[in-house]
Amino acid sequence: EDKVVQSPLSLVVHEGDTVTLNCSYEVTNFRSLLWYKQEKKAPTFLFMLTSSGIEKKSGRLSSILDKKELFSILNITATQTGDSAVYLCARSYGGATNKLIFGTGTLLAVQP
Amino acid sequence: NAGVTQTPKFRILKIGQSMTLQCTQDMNHNYMYWYRQDPGMGLKLIYYSVGAGITDKGEVPNGYNVSRSTTEDFPLRLELAAPSQTSVYFCASSYGDEAFFGQGTRLTVV
Repeated sequence: EDKVVQSPLSLVVHEGDTVTLNCSYEVTNFRSLLWYKQEKKAPTFLFMLTSSGIEKKSGRLSSILDKKELFSILNITATQTGDSAVYLCARSYGGATNKLIFGTGTLLAVQP
Repeated sequence: NAGVTQTPKFRILKIGQSMTLQCTQDMNHNYMYWYRQDPGMGLKLIYYSVGAGITDKGEVPNGYNVSRSTTEDFPLRLELAAPSQTSVYFCASSYGDEAFFGQGTRLTVV
């Protein structure tokens, strides 16, 4: 079955902590792995990863993909209360369908 | 810049009623998607479309129908609403892999 599994399901940290969110998937024939942040409403795009071992960074957020072991991680350093959100990862099928299949998400709560 | 626009934002339906959730995008994207999100859960793909006139089922299509007569519009139809369809519905569109989302429709079936 084609699943995207995220862990942990939820996480509570204090401001300044560093967190690592995990995303694993079960099939190898994909085109990209995407990370989204969802606060109150619609998910907003963070990263798209297509190549193994190449880190993508945006400020305090970074992400990397391991296509051999079928997982990706999202790191957030020096967390702030504004980082509190649900973080979603998604696998893109690519090809003609371009389907995006999402994981269950990780709920991150950053306490002052 | 409108992006992906969904209407309505909120709706309460009675069991057995029908309704159409509207979605339109102004980015000329070929791919469009409908997702539902239940509390504490991720997004589940209901239907998707790769272009005008072409639609296909996603992970949870039962109880829903879609059509894609134009590139811009991708409405989602609920024919006989059931309490299990209480959820937040998101429409999205994409050109490549990155999807752009509408603001969602919160639907309650009572």
